[in-house]
Amino acid sequence: NAGVMQNPRHLVRRRGQEARLRCSPMKGHSHVYWYRQLPEEGLKFMVYLQKENIIDESGMPKERFSAEFPKEGPSILRIQQVVRGDSAAYFCASSPGQGSTKEQYFGPGTRLTVT
Amino acid sequence: GENVEQHPSTLSVQEGDSAVIKCTYSDSASNYFPWYKQELGKRPQLIIDIRSNVGEKKDQRIAVTLNKTAKHFSLHITETQPEDSAVYFCAAMDTGRRALTFGSGTRLQVQP
Repeated sequence: NAGVMQNPRHLVRRRGQEARLRCSPMKGHSHVYWYRQLPEEGLKFMVYLQKENIIDESGMPKERFSAEFPKEGPSILRIQQVVRGDSAAYFCASSPGQGSTKEQYFGPGTRLTVT
Repeated sequence: GENVEQHPSTLSVQEGDSAVIKCTYSDSASNYFPWYKQELGKRPQLIIDIRSNVGEKKDQRIAVTLNKTAKHFSLHITETQPEDSAVYFCAAMDTGRRALTFGSGTRLQVQP
């Protein structure tokens, strides 16, 4: 049973470019969460999605950041016009989302470097 | 919103000793408290969790305790081994949301 998959694992972008991060949840999981981790810090919640729906985007910056989880394919976190402050590790997690199950399992992360 | 504080930020123990990491949370509506272990450059791994209807949970060498009245929970690792060295994060989730609020992490170093 494959775990949460993320790609790319490393991404380098120049200031002003766009970054697209992809996340495929574990098989059978329908809920996806994106977190950002700055160096030497904890993880900060960004957005929670179910298929074709954004449930909670309270942690996501209002500008330049967007997320989607289409009916088919992976969830995508898009960062437009990247700035140096966007450099971080971006982790995706998934959960079954059924009943009282709350466990979230993380992918390997995408390490974004903005030059 | 929820706020989780974690102490200590670093912890060094001798192999075989016990390690305790403590967290406090602010939102009394929180009812799910997982602990994650993160090795350098790796993904956070869920190692144990506890729900608010339970006071203690144990899994081999690790245990978690929860005091709902005081709004704090702790991770206990007994008989520590060098491979326990990592950063440990506590987190809390409230009833109405699915987002985890994380503590700032504890870097545990087990000296052989």
